Amino acid sequence: QKEVEQDPGPLSVPEGAIVSLNCTYSNSAFQYFMWYRQYSRKGPELLMYTYSSGNKEDGRFTAQVDKSSKYISLFIRDSQPSDSATYLCAMSSNAGGTSYGKLTFGQGTILTVHP
Amino acid sequence: EAGVTQSPTHLIKTRGQQATLRCSPISGHTSVYWYQQALGLGLQFLLWYDEGEERNRGNFPPRFSGRQFPNYSSELNVNALELEDSALYLCASSSGTSGSGGTDTQYFGPGTRLTVL
Repeated sequence: QKEVEQDPGPLSVPEGAIVSLNCTYSNSAFQYFMWYRQYSRKGPELLMYTYSSGNKEDGRFTAQVDKSSKYISLFIRDSQPSDSATYLCAMSSNAGGTSYGKLTFGQGTILTVHP
Repeated sequence: EAGVTQSPTHLIKTRGQQATLRCSPISGHTSVYWYQQALGLGLQFLLWYDEGEERNRGNFPPRFSGRQFPNYSSELNVNALELEDSALYLCASSSGTSGSGGTDTQYFGPGTRLTVL
């Protein structure tokens, strides 16, 4: 079983829709949670960074972390065609050892927003 | 401010050869991370360098190695290339301000696409 599970999609929505992207994880030591956006043939771009449980909002993006359920979400409001990309969740801990400095990624969800 | 840069953009090698990939971190960043993004496998952690030292490595064979130079740039070397090494190799950097925790925000470069024939 992978430490981080993410539905690869693909997910196709109309412009203006609310998009919900999710990841589950099994390692309870994870405390830092990130969402990255990756356009085709580009490197991942950091969208959101949250620590522990709670919500964080930045413009049209909202990240939620529920550590009790080991579940994180990214919501995109008023989705635009320019949001079409692969969305990757990533997690890390400060537990040291083999976790030191390492981001553990989900498989990525391919999102297409059509006009 | 310039982001993380990587060279070359593309690299084509044959099986058994060696590949060298290069990374320049964001100015002021002291930590460099390497990841492999192979088709169907997602992003896998390879190596972490901080202040010139290797701090951690992922579950990859020893033929994957690297180093960090005094100017904090880094090199990833892959020896005895195998077909399954074909992937996008991503470098990330961070400010290294979180001390021993290694939980700084990582900023990624555009990657080097390695093709092994």
